[in-house]
Amino acid sequence: NAGVTQTPKFQVLKTGQSMTLQCAQDMNHEYMSWYRQDPGMGLRLIHYSVGAGITDQGEVPNGYNVSRSTTEDFPLRLLSAAPSQTSVYFCASKLGKNYGYTFGSGTRLTVV
Amino acid sequence: ELKVEQNPLFLSMQEGKNYTIYCNYSTTSDRLYWYRQDPGKSLESLFVLLSNGAVKQEGRLMASLDTKARLSTLHITAAVHDLSATYFCAVANPSDSNYQLIWGAGTKLIIKP
Repeated sequence: NAGVTQTPKFQVLKTGQSMTLQCAQDMNHEYMSWYRQDPGMGLRLIHYSVGAGITDQGEVPNGYNVSRSTTEDFPLRLLSAAPSQTSVYFCASKLGKNYGYTFGSGTRLTVV
Repeated sequence: ELKVEQNPLFLSMQEGKNYTIYCNYSTTSDRLYWYRQDPGKSLESLFVLLSNGAVKQEGRLMASLDTKARLSTLHITAAVHDLSATYFCAVANPSDSNYQLIWGAGTKLIIKP
């Protein structure tokens, strides 16, 4: 049981490049979310999903896309990277809306 | 709009002392979560509080929820160095049917030997 697996752990992008952050969970959790964490701030929700085929926007969705074709996978796509997207990104999953999240190990992204 | 405030944001304390971290939120919610994050690491779920008056304890940490006061507390008893971390509270947004979370900014706790 690996929990929530995120790849890559570190990434440097040039402005304008695109990339996909991968997230997979093996706990059969319905809920999955992507957060970004910036210094001195709490986590901010980018996008989330409550099941395969269902996604919705969080508080900071601009510049990011998601899809949920399977229960296990929830990739986050950066369409055209900007320096403002430099952050630590966490993927998280939970069994249902009353449960706590299990977090992945995070991806530290730098956009130059 | 739901806002979540933690205080203090930074706390340095000695081993063996007791202290409390506060989490206030602006609109009614009865679902509150506490997490711990070590430097450079991921977040670990500590407590899930789902009703008014809920109290959970794990070792030297105890969390409680008062939904009428819109307040949760995380109490540390006889602190030890291993509890040094950043602690976050997160509140389920009652305006969201999926109960997405709004996070506090975190309390960085340093416990000195």
